[in-house]
Amino acid sequence: GENVEQHPSTLSVQEGDSAVIKCTYSDSASNYFPWYKQELGKRPQLIIDIRSNVGEKKDQRIAVTLNKTAKHFSLHITETQPEDSAVYFCAASGETSYDKVIFGPGTSLSVIP
Amino acid sequence: DTGVSQDPRHKITKRGQNVTFRCDPISEHNRLYWYRQTLGQGPEFLTYFQNEAQLEKSRLLSDRFSAERPKGSFSTLEIQRTEQGDSAMYLCASSLHAGGETQYFGPGTRLLVL
Repeated sequence: GENVEQHPSTLSVQEGDSAVIKCTYSDSASNYFPWYKQELGKRPQLIIDIRSNVGEKKDQRIAVTLNKTAKHFSLHITETQPEDSAVYFCAASGETSYDKVIFGPGTSLSVIP
Repeated sequence: DTGVSQDPRHKITKRGQNVTFRCDPISEHNRLYWYRQTLGQGPEFLTYFQNEAQLEKSRLLSDRFSAERPKGSFSTLEIQRTEQGDSAMYLCASSLHAGGETQYFGPGTRLLVL
């Protein structure tokens, strides 16, 4: 089955700097890669996703890149703000009828004012 | 509120007791997922439904766990003979269709087994 790894497990950046979180997946059939943000005590919320027919996707300060050959995908947050502090989870799934989303272990991001 | 809802939000029980959690997905969402999340970890897949059909159950799920979605709308997750290791946040999520669709999470039920 699918296995998703995520690095780093913790990340501290100064406000205004960029943050990068990297993930790898094992199942070459996976073709949907969402990223979730979870603030302390709250539910995971989707922030961006990418499909395998796209190499990069951007939404304001957030961008995701995908390298299907290497089975890598990354989250990039630019101009970080204190409210970006949270745990970020990458995930992978296929698009066949009976696939499920497998989550990485998470990255705890702290943005220092 | 038209989002995913879960009940109860918190549950404290003694070891050996049975507990049942409820999840109400976003209306018209065909898929419903149950996850377990422990501190410092990502959501761990437990099981999921396409309408009323349970399509897959994690091998990590012992036979003390059972889930139902009898009418293809709300779902229940029951844990029998709870153990301290069952203490976790139980998250429910729903999506409109199959894989590749955004999963919307509920607030979770936090279970503490004493």
